[in-house]
Amino acid sequence: GNSVTQMEGPVTLSEEAFLTINCTYTATGYPSLFWYVQYPGEGLQLLLKATKADDKGSNKGFEATYRKETTSFHLEKGSVQVSDSAVYFCALSGGAGGYNKLIFGAGTRLAVHP
Amino acid sequence: DAMVIQNPRYQVTQFGKPVTLSCSQTLNHNVMYWYQQKSSQAPKLLFHYYDKDFNNEADTPDNFQSRRPNTSFCFLDIRSPGLGDAAMYLCATGRGGNTGEPFFGEGSRLTVL
Repeated sequence: GNSVTQMEGPVTLSEEAFLTINCTYTATGYPSLFWYVQYPGEGLQLLLKATKADDKGSNKGFEATYRKETTSFHLEKGSVQVSDSAVYFCALSGGAGGYNKLIFGAGTRLAVHP
Repeated sequence: DAMVIQNPRYQVTQFGKPVTLSCSQTLNHNVMYWYQQKSSQAPKLLFHYYDKDFNNEADTPDNFQSRRPNTSFCFLDIRSPGLGDAAMYLCATGRGGNTGEPFFGEGSRLTVL
């Protein structure tokens, strides 16, 4: 079945450091890929998405490229801020027979210190 | 303006006392989902409606039920909450296509005493 694997956290960085959170997936068909962010006590917010191979999603300085050959969708940001501290979820939807049903990775907690 | 609204944001109930969580949307989306998210875990899909068509996930306990009286509203009923049902419950909506992303509400946090 479809699944998503994320690097374990927590990831602890200093402000302005480079961020990478790894995400790989297993899916049949051609899923869409997403990164969601969750701040403490809140729901999920879509950060970025990519719907086909080689697409790059970007938003608020974050970016991720849909790599079909490595089945990956790693999240990157060149210079993190304290306000980026949150839990980040990689997810996929669609694929064979699916629509919009999201399958999430376990989440990666990011803590950014001044 | 909020597009997916969940009420209440915080719900406290007693062990075994039924509880209902509500979700409303202004997006006119065909699909509405309920996810359960326990502390420090990924959200887990409980069920979803495609219009009036109800789809239960295979491992969703019978204790969880849902109603969708119209396009805009969907309810999650927990018939006899146990301590293990304490979680954040997330509602989401979607168009039903393969490429559109679901939109999430802020969530309802359930505490069971």
